[in-house]
Amino acid sequence: EPEVTQTPSHQVTQMGQEVILRCVPISNHLYFYWYRQILGQKVEFLVSFYNNEISEKSEIFDDQFSVERPDGSNFTLKIRSTKLEDSAMYFCASSEGGGPNEKLFFGSGTQLSVL
Amino acid sequence: GEDVEQSLFLSVREGDSSVINCTYTDSSSTYLYWYKQEPGAGLQLLTYIFSNMDMKQDQRLTVLLNKKDKHLSLRIADTQTGDSAIYFCAERRGNNRLAFGKGNQVVVIP
Repeated sequence: EPEVTQTPSHQVTQMGQEVILRCVPISNHLYFYWYRQILGQKVEFLVSFYNNEISEKSEIFDDQFSVERPDGSNFTLKIRSTKLEDSAMYFCASSEGGGPNEKLFFGSGTQLSVL
Repeated sequence: GEDVEQSLFLSVREGDSSVINCTYTDSSSTYLYWYKQEPGAGLQLLTYIFSNMDMKQDQRLTVLLNKKDKHLSLRIADTQTGDSAIYFCAERRGNNRLAFGKGNQVVVIP
């Protein structure tokens, strides 16, 4: 079965550094998402992306965050200057369409630790 | 604020039924979902229910929706060790946004 892959599985960085989290969505999917889960808290929506632009973003997704589809296969989340509170598990997801009955397929996540 | 709430931990003996509960607050939600997360893996969609339904059955899984109380439950019949995981309920908000609960850790005891 096709799957969403994320790299790296773990990322450790110093506060203030930039990080890029990488995702390869399922190949025929058109909608892409990032979610995150801070330890002990809920999985939170960050951003959705379609047709090379952000279609929706949450209040968490401030100017420190950006997303990009640099080529036909990758979808990246960049955090420009990491803060301690950015430490979380970051999940990438994709779906074929954008309707409410579309299934989102999630990757296994990147655990980001900011020291 | 609008929140999706779940209880945190459930242990169940293999072969028994397990029931996981969730409450949500957005009455305009059209779809509600159950996701499963096994250790080291991503969130796997188990099942979903449309808001005009009360119940949906899918093999060992039964989803019950009480719209009046904004209560969603997932019943797993004949629970197996492979069902040990964290289960998240989620509701659809807006076009593409899912709002998740904190998750419920289910431990199946052989």
